[in-house]
Amino acid sequence: GIQVEQSPPDLILQEGANSTLRCNFSDSVNNLQWFHQNPWGQLINLFYIPSGTKQNGRLSATTVATERYSLLYISSSQTTDSGVYFCAVDMDSSYKLIFGSGTRLLVRP
Amino acid sequence: GAVVSQHPSRVICKSGTSVKIECRSLDFQATTMFWYRQFPKQSLMLMATSNEGSKATYEQGVEKDKFLINHASLTLSTLTVTSAHPEDSSFYICSARDRGGGARGGYTFGSGTRLTVV
Repeated sequence: GIQVEQSPPDLILQEGANSTLRCNFSDSVNNLQWFHQNPWGQLINLFYIPSGTKQNGRLSATTVATERYSLLYISSSQTTDSGVYFCAVDMDSSYKLIFGSGTRLLVRP
Repeated sequence: GAVVSQHPSRVICKSGTSVKIECRSLDFQATTMFWYRQFPKQSLMLMATSNEGSKATYEQGVEKDKFLINHASLTLSTLTVTSAHPEDSSFYICSARDRGGGARGGYTFGSGTRLTVV
């Protein structure tokens, strides 16, 4: 099956710093999404981005489908950005989302 | 926006008993729902795909007789953990896909159920 790997696994930032999270996938995909899981376990959909670049406030994401990777940029990080960031892909008409290993982010005040 | 309600949020049960978890799409129709489990500090692992009016499709290694899934309507899917044991303790999350898709890919997640089997 498809492999979805994320890096780094853990990241500690000082408030105000910028960061880049990476998601590599081993096969062509129909869909790629980025999620933030807050400390209570709720998954928040950040981006639906099978290709191209999107921005939403301090967050932006870029997917280069031909090279099978996606990047999530967090600028001017805040303590509320802490949590786990997952990318997830689906590769066929089943719509099953396969999650990456996640990046655990801690933003310190 | 799309909302998925998952209940209960927490449950503690005795070993050998069964627990039912409900997942409801509140403002959209979900022909397909997905069930995941997540162990501490790990990723989400897809357990099964639940299709309205038909049998669920289970991922390899997931026991269909232990994790019973019912998707009787376009807005409700249930997961029953039968004869629960301590190793079934985990965080269970459902996801519903709006058959209309949408700009965000159409997936909405429930808030999860933390199951502890004692």
